[in-house]
Amino acid sequence: EAQVTQNPRYLITVTGKKLTVTCSQNMNHEYMSWYRQDPGLGLRQIYYSMNVEVTDKGDVPEGYKVSRKEKRNFPLILESPSPNQTSLYFCASSRGRADQPQHFGDGTRLSIL
Amino acid sequence: AQKVTQAQTEISVVEKEDVTLDCVYETRDTTYYLFWYKQPPSGELVFLIRRNSFDEQNEISGRYSWNFQKSTSSFNFTITASQVVDSAVYFCASFNSGGYQKVTFGIGTKLQVIP
Repeated sequence: EAQVTQNPRYLITVTGKKLTVTCSQNMNHEYMSWYRQDPGLGLRQIYYSMNVEVTDKGDVPEGYKVSRKEKRNFPLILESPSPNQTSLYFCASSRGRADQPQHFGDGTRLSIL
Repeated sequence: AQKVTQAQTEISVVEKEDVTLDCVYETRDTTYYLFWYKQPPSGELVFLIRRNSFDEQNEISGRYSWNFQKSTSSFNFTITASQVVDSAVYFCASFNSGGYQKVTFGIGTKLQVIP
């Protein structure tokens, strides 16, 4: 089954404790992206990747890092999480570029205390 | 910079009514793509439709239809004879092909269909 898998689905942690949210897709997609969803703000793009070793900032990259060492994986790293990063996070992938429909993971709800 | 405006934050309709969700986009590019996604109460995001800037034909898929008008920079979504299962948050999004591979989403419209 074609899917985008995120882990963990839920996480409560404390300020400053480094965390990684993993994202993996099994569709051999080139484009991958991270979004955060906040009430009243919709979905905002954090980072995206066009292919292995090719990443770029979205609209809200501050406080986040990403890497794309393998085509299927695109982890989101919060090196020093803060409460304003409490949010619902989605990973997505699409064939080719961002002009194609994106497949989304089920979301990761992060709470930073 | 691209921008997507969904002015209706919440809409309530009674089952079987028709409802239109508005989406207005801003772009300086001549080539761009527009999307609609649905987020039901279960939380997943589901792709509904994609339209490129060179194709202004309206599209109908069952009870769903989309009206793309470049003259008003709008890409509106109509649900005919709404059903309770249509209750969801609907997002409009855009991608401009000139440069960065960013996708911009609107803030979403929450649709509640009342039985």
